[in-house]
This record gives sequence, C-alpha cells and structure tokens, in this order.
Amino acid sequence: EAGVAQSPRYKIIEKRQSVAFWCNPISGHATLYWYQQILGQGPKLLIQFQNNGVVDDSQLPKDRFSAERLKGVDSTLKIQPAKLEDSAVYLCASSLGWNSNYGYTFGSGTRLTVV
Amino acid sequence: AQTVTQSQPEMSVQEAETVTLSCTYDTSENNYYLFWYKQPPSRQMILVIRQEAYKQQNATENRFSVNFQKAAKSFSLKISDSQLGDTAMYFCAFMDSGGGADGLTFGKGTHLIIQP
Repeated sequence: EAGVAQSPRYKIIEKRQSVAFWCNPISGHATLYWYQQILGQGPKLLIQFQNNGVVDDSQLPKDRFSAERLKGVDSTLKIQPAKLEDSAVYLCASSLGWNSNYGYTFGSGTRLTVV
Repeated sequence: AQTVTQSQPEMSVQEAETVTLSCTYDTSENNYYLFWYKQPPSRQMILVIRQEAYKQQNATENRFSVNFQKAAKSFSLKISDSQLGDTAMYFCAFMDSGGGADGLTFGKGTHLIIQP
C-alpha cells in the first residue's frame, strides 16, 4: 500500500512569511495527525483529525497555526506569520481510527527553516 | 499527562554487538501501549516494536526485543547482532489504552551509531 505522502520535503522562508504543508494519508485511514519535531527533541502532537473533524488541537498555537482536512482525506497545515522558533520538521501520520493502538504510519516530513 | 524519558542522548557500538536503549515513563494508567520507533536520516518514523501493558510477555521482532518492567515503568529496547543499517534515532513512545486525544507521546530520542 502507498505510504503517507507529504510535500514539500524542504522549505526555507523568512520570518513573518506564511507557509503551508500538505499531507495525503493512507487510503482508508480515518485519523490524521500533525506533529512538530524540533531539532534534538521527540515529535510533539499539534492536532488530530477524525475524518474531517478535529479531535484535539490543544497544542496548536492557534494565533499563527491553522489546519484543515477537507473531505476527510488530505490535510494542510499553515503557519502565518512564521517565527524563528517554528523551524522544525513537520510530520504527518495516519491511523485506521482515533483509538488505534497499533501505532501510526508516518510520512517523511517537511523540514522548515525560518530565517 | 504522561511523560517519556530517554536518558541516553547518544550510543555507539561495533557492528554485530548487542545494544540496549533505555526508556522510562510516567503514567497513572493501568492499561496502555508502548512503542519503539526508528527514525533514519530519511526522517520517516518506522515502527520497530510494540508492547501491550497488560501482557507480561516481552515483545520480540527478529533482532529486536524489549524488557518491559511495568512496576518500574521501564521499557528498554535490545538490538542483537547490530547492523550498520540500524544507525538512526530511536524514540520510545507511550499511548494510553483509549488511543484518544493524547495520541502518541514521545521521548527525546537516542542517537544510535553502529560502527563498522
């Protein structure tokens, strides 16, 4: 089966600019996750979708980050305006359901550098 | 909230040796799941092994095995006959029994280097 697709692979922007990341989960996976991985740290959950509804976005900095999952398939994560501390790898993952305890399938992430 | 601690930022061993990566966690839950993920330079997180807390038997997957000590809240990963391709970041992760809103909680990772 195809894996979790993410694009772009790399992105360099100046602070205060906007940026968007795209994710296409595994076909049939109802739950989609966005994680932020800052250099030297483990991934941190930003937002979780079940189909096209948000399950949890308590860790999402809503003043600058937004995410959507239209039609319950693809998802986009947007940052506007970006700050230097947003430099990180943004990982997308998916699972069959929100209570799936077999782990998630991850994409290869987008490395964002804010200068 | 659950926390996961990996106290070894980096480890280095010779090829074919056995290496053990440490992980401890803190939770008030009785039922939960533990995972080890591998992250090579390609950045994709790859599931290595999974353990169910209510099972006393330690999980094994080929050269990978765990030592799960529930009372001590310890979950170490043993890699036998290490290979150059095992070089990567390894993350320990926790999930409560409901999966749910907290998702996977990760430790900071251990950078494992296998020397030829």
